[in-house]
Amino acid sequence: KAGVTQTPRYLIKTRGQQVTLSCSPISGHRSVSWYQQTPGQGLQFLFEYFSETQRNKGNFPGRFSGRQFSNSRSEMNVSTLELGDSALYLCASSVSGQGAVVQYFGPGTRLTVT
Amino acid sequence: AQSVSQHNHHVILSEAASLELGCNYSYGGTVNLFWYVQYPGQHLQLLLKYFSGDPLVKGIKGFEAEFIKSKFSFNLRKPSVQWSDTAEYFCAVNAGTNAGKSTFGDGTTLTVKP
Repeated sequence: KAGVTQTPRYLIKTRGQQVTLSCSPISGHRSVSWYQQTPGQGLQFLFEYFSETQRNKGNFPGRFSGRQFSNSRSEMNVSTLELGDSALYLCASSVSGQGAVVQYFGPGTRLTVT
Repeated sequence: AQSVSQHNHHVILSEAASLELGCNYSYGGTVNLFWYVQYPGQHLQLLLKYFSGDPLVKGIKGFEAEFIKSKFSFNLRKPSVQWSDTAEYFCAVNAGTNAGKSTFGDGTTLTVKP
């Protein structure tokens, strides 16, 4: 099976702009989670989607949003970008997001805000 | 709220030395426990997992971990490290009822000298 794929791999944006990142989960996986990885804060949970519904949300401002489509593909959007949003954004998928399941991670999208 | 503490931020070993990385978590209920590895320039990969049963779990590349419930610990071990084990290691935990939302430790950077 193909792994989790994320596009684009690299992005450079200017402060104040908005950005959309995409994630395609492993085939058959219905749970998609997003994480932000920075040197200072480590890996932090953003949100999880299951069956097109947001099931969990981390402690991030409302500028961070996401959605999931009927084919389980997910997008996350960051509006009004700030310098501090520069990070590696990771997507992870699992079969159900409940019980004894493993999250598999994609390669990430490296976002740089200037 | 869940939290994960990794005691060592940076570990330097010579090849063939033994490795133990500490991980303690804070959560009152049933948990799923994981160790992930991130090689330079690569994405997060699962090393091993614990869901239930035998508290000593074996993973890929000769790694193992022991779950000690009374100590809320899940330490990673390898009897003899290789140069190729140089990477960053993350301990992660989630609640089985909420497996799409994982909490990660800050990571331990392992450098193995040839």
